Amino acid sequence: DVKVTQSSRYLVKRTGEKVFLECVQDMDHENMFWYRQDPGLGLRLIYFSYDVKMKEKGDIPEGYSVSREKKERFSLILESASTNQTSMYLCASSPPAAYQETQYFGPGTRLLVL
Amino acid sequence: AQTVTQSQPEMSVQEAETVTLSCTYDTSENNYYLFWYKQPPSRQMILVIRQEAYKQQNATENRFSVNFQKAAKSFSLKISDSQLGDTAMYFCAFMNYGGSQGNLIFGKGTKLSVKP
Repeated sequence: DVKVTQSSRYLVKRTGEKVFLECVQDMDHENMFWYRQDPGLGLRLIYFSYDVKMKEKGDIPEGYSVSREKKERFSLILESASTNQTSMYLCASSPPAAYQETQYFGPGTRLLVL
Repeated sequence: AQTVTQSQPEMSVQEAETVTLSCTYDTSENNYYLFWYKQPPSRQMILVIRQEAYKQQNATENRFSVNFQKAAKSFSLKISDSQLGDTAMYFCAFMNYGGSQGNLIFGKGTKLSVKP
């Protein structure tokens, strides 16, 4: 079974803090994704990566950055957290789209910025 | 740009009954994939069922089946013999074939409650 893990289930941070959300997958997947989930808005793509050290902006990249130094790990960084970044963050991974299209999700990190 | 619309924010169904969740999408592409994902209250999102647009036959996975109407750009999910464990948020999602490294476009979700 594919396993995608996220470093924290719940996180509380102060405005202005630098926040790191970590995601690790154990299936040697090329693609990794960070989504933000808000009630009534569904899931919105923040950033994705299709290879080590590669990254692409999604629909809502403002205020976020990412890092992918190793294939299995994809980090989402909030350089200076703001209250409007309070949300549920979901990580996902998938093999290359040419071979398999299913994305596998982590359990999510619920971030509260005070 | 592709969009996915789920017009039912919330639905409820009695245990053992059948329920259908609606999804429409907009695209100018001919080849694509469609998915239904389920997110139970524990929050782990899992794949329920998927459909390749080039296949005319509707996908089925046990109690879950889809009604894929390509011309109408409609992709509804039918859950038969509903169980309490089916209570969850359900998201319809779209992916272009072979494009954008597999980016999914999600609808806003339908919250399904199965009542005993």
